[in-house]
Amino acid sequence: AQSVTQLGSHVSVSEGALVLLRCNYSSSVPPYLFWYVQYPNQGLQLLLKYTTGATLVKGINGFEAEFKKSETSFHLTKPSAHMSDAAEYFCAVSPSGGSYIPTFGRGTSLIVHP
Amino acid sequence: DAGVIQSPRHEVTEMGQEVTLRCKPISGHDYLFWYRQTMMRGLELLIYFNNNVPIDDSGMPEDRFSAKMPNASFSTLKIQPSEPRDSAVYFCASSSRDRGTEAFFGQGTRLTVV
Repeated sequence: AQSVTQLGSHVSVSEGALVLLRCNYSSSVPPYLFWYVQYPNQGLQLLLKYTTGATLVKGINGFEAEFKKSETSFHLTKPSAHMSDAAEYFCAVSPSGGSYIPTFGRGTSLIVHP
Repeated sequence: DAGVIQSPRHEVTEMGQEVTLRCKPISGHDYLFWYRQTMMRGLELLIYFNNNVPIDDSGMPEDRFSAKMPNASFSTLKIQPSEPRDSAVYFCASSSRDRGTEAFFGQGTRLTVV
């Protein structure tokens, strides 16, 4: 069984400030981890993913995330927020073995103030 | 590749009518997922197919919902009869068997049942 918890349904930051979106997961097998972004009236698109290897992964638009096994976390960060980053962000986990079904978190809405 | 294609983008129908949502997955992908997104429940997995075979439909809310995948390039989600509580955005996503490959989402169908 696997699950994803995203802390905070809304996160508000000022333009230029650090963005930190939290994601914790549970998985009975080593996980594959994903962050997706959803802009209004659009589908989800991949920001970045962790499968194996380096635990710090870089994605599009300056985002990165670090897989911390001991903390079962995969938090998403960006050093400096831009107005165009305002969107809904979803963390997802997929098992590396067995049934390949991604499980999504409830999402975090990122609000960027000028 | 054009990505996952869903039609229609918007559908407004009267309660009791039949609704059919359509999806064309990315060529070569062997997994297809149908999701429903609402404010109250977030992103819910309704059903998924592997190699055109329905594997798990435990997320389908009621017998009014049915899904088919007659071939590798086409799937439908049907609601009959539709009810106002079915109003949501329905997403189709596809993926390949390679572990760690992310799901690619369509733009979604926004369904409104009045």
